[in-house]
Amino acid sequence: EIVLTQSPGTLSLSPGERATLSCRASQSVTSSYLAWYQQKPGQAPRLLIYGASNRATGIPDRFSGSGSGTDFTLTISRLEPEDFAVYYCQQYGSSPPWTFGQGTKVEIK
Amino acid sequence: QVQLVESGGGVVQPGGSLRLSCAASGFTFSNYGIHWVRQAPGKGLEWVAFIRYDGSNEYYADSVKGRFTISRDNSKNTLYLQMNSLRAEDTAVYYCAKGGPAWQWLPPDYWGQGTLVTVSS
Repeated sequence: EIVLTQSPGTLSLSPGERATLSCRASQSVTSSYLAWYQQKPGQAPRLLIYGASNRATGIPDRFSGSGSGTDFTLTISRLEPEDFAVYYCQQYGSSPPWTFGQGTKVEIK
Repeated sequence: QVQLVESGGGVVQPGGSLRLSCAASGFTFSNYGIHWVRQAPGKGLEWVAFIRYDGSNEYYADSVKGRFTISRDNSKNTLYLQMNSLRAEDTAVYYCAKGGPAWQWLPPDYWGQGTLVTVSS
């Protein structure tokens, strides 16, 4: 089973600042099958990024993903008020289980 | 537009059973794999199970293997999760989530709003 470790646990930033979230895998993720999700309280997760760097439909271009192998990054170039939420990475390689990281909370400083 | 609506959650005693349903609309259900993902109160996301578009293969997390069964009825555009031998640690919101099409490997993209399962005596 691939274990995903996200850091930091909490990121305290102000609107307009840049957010950099990390996701590290315990072993290489097949074909960069790495996704990022945003979740707000009381809501279902929303897919942001798939294939490590591809934005999902309707996702603003201030969200970008990068990385390969075992190290992946989600960057939010300029935080908008609606971006304060919890973010999860997930690997969805060819074999289950398709694990999630434990999440990074982006909070208003 | 894509809609996934879960139902069937509720309170059940330890050792009991429950069947969740997920009604899908807005896409060709029979072309897509579907996941169940759960979230315990105040905790992160946990992938639970996946079924391929045609029901030919099922996959489970170790934590539910042998107790939960995922199935689908493509004629009714509905996904199911039969949960037996329930434990307190199965308490969570259960989401169904649309996976990729038969011809492309993609992560869950659209999610339902979830149904709460509480296992308690």
